[in-house]
Amino acid sequence: AQSVTQLGSHVSVSEGALVLLRCNYSSSVPPYLFWYVQYPNQGLQLLLKYTTGATLVKGINGFEAEFKKSETSFHLTKPSAHMSDAAEYFCAVKGGGFQKLVFGTGTRLLVSP
Amino acid sequence: NAGVTQTPKFQVLKTGQSMTLQCAQDMNHEYMSWYRQDPGMGLRLIHYSVGAGITDQGEVPNGYNVSRSTTEDFPLRLLSAAPSQTSVYFCASSRKTSGDTGELFFGEGSRLTVL
Repeated sequence: AQSVTQLGSHVSVSEGALVLLRCNYSSSVPPYLFWYVQYPNQGLQLLLKYTTGATLVKGINGFEAEFKKSETSFHLTKPSAHMSDAAEYFCAVKGGGFQKLVFGTGTRLLVSP
Repeated sequence: NAGVTQTPKFQVLKTGQSMTLQCAQDMNHEYMSWYRQDPGMGLRLIHYSVGAGITDQGEVPNGYNVSRSTTEDFPLRLLSAAPSQTSVYFCASSRKTSGDTGELFFGEGSRLTVL
């Protein structure tokens, strides 16, 4: 069965600092991997996704993630944090038929001035 | 653009009461699903549907019923609410195209409290 593990329920950074949110996956088949972002009192929206091809994936708002098969990782990064990046971030893997996504437990990103 | 619409946004129930969370999408998506979000547990799949008349159980289906009579609507029913069902519920939809990569479109959530 597919699963994802997000390391760190909370990550704090200063504005302008590097953002690194960690995600490791387990999958018996080549994985489709996703990062979603949830702003306060809103639903989730897709940040970026990896399916096949280029292992470095660029998403919205300056975020990117790199698929590393050897490390079973799909970490999310952004070179310079902005106050508006404060949100909860979820890593997910496509877990079987159709669109059944399996989500991690989430990482809350806190950005301080 | 409406996208995925959930109602109500907030609801308080007493133990044993029943209610239905409504979900509607206007994107002609075949796939619809319900997740619940609990602190420290992420999102867990309750039920899903791959088309009108077809539903199946997800990871945590107990205590919930669903039906899919139209492509647009996918209501979630709690027949006898329990405090353990206090949560934030999200409806999500997607295309079912073969080879599609699985992007889900989410509603804004329904916050349910069971006393």
